[in-house]
Amino acid sequence: DTAVSQTPKYLVTQMGNDKSIKCEQNLGHDTMYWYKQDSKKFLKIMFSYNNKELIINETVPNRFSPKSPDKAHLNLHINSLELGDSAVYFCASSLSRGGQLNYGYTFGSGTRLTVV
Amino acid sequence: RKEVEQDPGPFNVPEGATVAFNCTYSNSASQSFFWYRQDCRKEPKLLMSVYSSGNEDGRFTAQLNRASQYISLLIRDSKLSDSATYLCVVNPIYNQGGKLIFGQGTELSVKP
Repeated sequence: DTAVSQTPKYLVTQMGNDKSIKCEQNLGHDTMYWYKQDSKKFLKIMFSYNNKELIINETVPNRFSPKSPDKAHLNLHINSLELGDSAVYFCASSLSRGGQLNYGYTFGSGTRLTVV
Repeated sequence: RKEVEQDPGPFNVPEGATVAFNCTYSNSASQSFFWYRQDCRKEPKLLMSVYSSGNEDGRFTAQLNRASQYISLLIRDSKLSDSATYLCVVNPIYNQGGKLIFGQGTELSVKP
């Protein structure tokens, strides 16, 4: 069973469209994240949710809206897609004990978004 | 100054070589430290956590120097399968939603 699963794996879409990426984890973790990896391979945090509550919103444009219906799911909706949104988006999850992250993240396999 | 800095490489080494990667971090209050490995077009995977006393996992040894804000990873007896990008990762502040800061990665290529 996949621990952190993202869908779709690939997404090619035109500028101006709206798209969603879904993420689910079956690890019993309490915190989930979205990271963006750009063409220079830098991984940057976008959002973090702990038990469905938004904890981190890292100056991401309003066109990006995360939604966490429960602590096992974190989806990412993107409105009005732009060329610069092309990147790999990774979902991840972790177990935070008392606010401290001791065990790192488990990542999903990524969604490769190409905006044309 | 970047929060986590690594030499991007690439490091090209022959099989059997010993290779060392270094990393520095800017936030002295950082709590947890990790090395991740990322293969081409794959997700990052946790290689090992880094503890103050240093730790070893088979051919891999990680060291942390809090005074110098420096982390290292040593790979002994390199294998072809070690070819990947190695990411230095830091959890900067206690109780901030588990945020991890990733270095830009050091690319390793092990040749026959």
